Amino acid sequence: AQKVTQAQTEISVVEKEDVTLDCVYETRDTTYYLFWYKQPPSGELVFLIRRNSFDEQNEISGRYSWNFQKSTSSFNFTITASQVVDSAVYFCALSEGTGNQFYFGTGTSLTVIP
Amino acid sequence: GAGVSQSPSNKVTEKGKDVELRCDPISGHTALYWYRQSLGQGLEFLIYFQGNSAPDKSGLPSDRFSAERTGGSVSTLTIQRTQQEDSAVYLCASSLEGSRVEYGYTFGSGTRLTVV
Repeated sequence: AQKVTQAQTEISVVEKEDVTLDCVYETRDTTYYLFWYKQPPSGELVFLIRRNSFDEQNEISGRYSWNFQKSTSSFNFTITASQVVDSAVYFCALSEGTGNQFYFGTGTSLTVIP
Repeated sequence: GAGVSQSPSNKVTEKGKDVELRCDPISGHTALYWYRQSLGQGLEFLIYFQGNSAPDKSGLPSDRFSAERTGGSVSTLTIQRTQQEDSAVYLCASSLEGSRVEYGYTFGSGTRLTVV
């Protein structure tokens, strides 16, 4: 079973629209961390945010915001007033307290149309 | 170095040939990971090195894949007798020991491998 599910494969929005990228995760650990990474066309994954399982406070960073809800095992990412530079593939990832790896979702390809 | 460096950035090889992909982690990072990203797929874990410990090879898809890390720094991922299904972007990442779970990795830009 997928530990991280990103149901949206591709999303297109017009510049200045808001967009939310969904992420649902599955774990039995009580301690875990959730991440979002951005992969622009250059290929390198860029870290955006990390949340631990004990902190459900939502976070806002400029035009980015994250909504972490343990009750629904979701960690959604919203971009407000999208810009063309936001076009990229976005990955959600889960890191459990045990084990050596991250579990990545399949990514959501976001295209922002000028 | 300032970031994780991977070479080559692109590699085209004929089916059946061997290839070597190189990863230079951030200086001081003791943990090194290889992931594979196939078209339309998420990132698939391949192998993990931590210091002088035996590597976690649980993600290697077949015995054609191997990796080594010399001197606790540079790592080489080798694919023998390449097949077309090996075509993917191979990503390397590194992290400080003990901080991976909490702080995640720093990724390189990847090597795009195309087997023709």
